[in-house]
Amino acid sequence: AQSVTQLGSHVSVSEGALVLLRCNYSSSVPPYLFWYVQYPNQGLQLLLKYTSAATLVKGINGFEAEFKKSETSFHLTKPSAHMSDAAEYFCAVSEIYGGSQGNLIFGKGTKLSVKP
Amino acid sequence: EPEVTQTPSHQVTQMGQEVILRCVPISNHLYFYWYRQILGQKVEFLVSFYNNEISEKSEIFDDQFSVERPDGSNFTLKIRSTKLEDSAMYFCASTRDSMYEQYFGPGTRLTVT
Repeated sequence: AQSVTQLGSHVSVSEGALVLLRCNYSSSVPPYLFWYVQYPNQGLQLLLKYTSAATLVKGINGFEAEFKKSETSFHLTKPSAHMSDAAEYFCAVSEIYGGSQGNLIFGKGTKLSVKP
Repeated sequence: EPEVTQTPSHQVTQMGQEVILRCVPISNHLYFYWYRQILGQKVEFLVSFYNNEISEKSEIFDDQFSVERPDGSNFTLKIRSTKLEDSAMYFCASTRDSMYEQYFGPGTRLTVT
């Protein structure tokens, strides 16, 4: 079964600093991978996705992620954090094989805090 | 921009009562999902629905749960007899194709007392 591991339940950075949120997945076949963001009291918003095209994926709000098959990783980065980036970030893998209808398997989430 | 909507935003119910959570997916989408997120925990898949039937369901989705697409626009999740542990945020999602990204609604916070 596929699974997603997000290292660090809470990450704190200073405004303007690099943001790095880690995600590793386990899958026997190349997966589809997603990062979603959840602002307080809101639903999940798609940041970016990897669907077997370019390994470096650019998303909204200046975020990007790189798919590294050898490391089974899909880490999320942003060069310079803004206060508005404070939110919880979820990495997810899609079960698209074996007859599955694309159900998403989520990691536990990483809460990002941005200090002024 | 089209979006998934959910009603109500917050539902409080007593243990043992039936609740129906409602979702209106994006109109040209064909695949529909329910997920839940217990406070402080990760988002968990409950059920997927395609072509008017359940495609897949998780272990959480037991006989107390059911889904329906009654009129071609709404997609509902019914919990027949709620338990305290059903308290969670419930998210509806939809997608045009199972290989595309899913669009999530804002969620319904269910509180069972």
